[in-house]
Amino acid sequence: DTEVTQTPKHLVMGMTNKKSLKCEQHMGHRAMYWYKQKAKKPPELMFVYSYEKLSINESVPSRFSPECPNSSLLNLHLHALQPEDSALYLCASSQEERGGTDTQYFGPGTRLTVL
Amino acid sequence: AQKVTQAQTEISVVEKEDVTLDCVYETRDTTYYLFWYKQPPSGELVFLIRRNSFDEQNEISGRYSWNFQKSTSSFNFTITASQVVDSAVYFCALSEAWSSGDKLTFGTGTRLAVRP
Repeated sequence: DTEVTQTPKHLVMGMTNKKSLKCEQHMGHRAMYWYKQKAKKPPELMFVYSYEKLSINESVPSRFSPECPNSSLLNLHLHALQPEDSALYLCASSQEERGGTDTQYFGPGTRLTVL
Repeated sequence: AQKVTQAQTEISVVEKEDVTLDCVYETRDTTYYLFWYKQPPSGELVFLIRRNSFDEQNEISGRYSWNFQKSTSSFNFTITASQVVDSAVYFCALSEAWSSGDKLTFGTGTRLAVRP
C-alpha cells in the first residue's frame, strides 16, 4: 500500500489567518517531505524530516512552520501568508534506508489559495 | 550541481500513436538514481520507475518502456499505443543521496496530451 493522505484537499485563507496542512502515511516510512508546486512548474522542496528530525530546510520563510509529531504524521503550519504563497502543497514519504536512495511517494496535495 | 532537462514542453498525439519523452541529466556523482513521475490533472505525483546508475538495462512495463543510456546521460520514456488516460505532465527526476533524506532534482516536465 503506497498511500500518502493529505488534508484538506483545498484551502482558502486570508493573509491574517492561521491554518495547518496535514499529511499522514502508514507505510512505516521514516522520511517525510513538504514540496511547493506553482502552476506549470516542477515541485520545489521545502522541508525534509528524517526519523522525526528536521534534516533539510530549503531557506523557507518562517511563515511556514513544519512539525513532525510522530513517524506517521507531518504538519505544515501556515501564518501570515502572502498571495504569492498560493500553490499546490505536496507531501511525500520514503523508506529512508541507510545508504540507499529511496523512492518518494506523494500524496494528492492541498491546493492553497491566499486572498 | 545536478540538473535535469526535459526539452519537450508539450507534446500532442492522437490515440494509439507511440510517443517518447526525453530526459537528459547532469551529475558529477557516480552513484545516482533516476525517476519518472506522472502528474495527472488531479495533482498527485504518481511514481512510475526508479533506476540506479549501475543498472543500464532497459525496462518495459506494459505499454511503458524506459531507455537508460549513461553514454549520453539520457533516460527516455516511451509510451506505446498511447491512450487518453496517459494525458498528464511527466517529470523526470534525479536524486543525490544525503545523510538524511534524499533530494530530488526535477526536470521542468513534459505535458502530454493524447487526443481521441
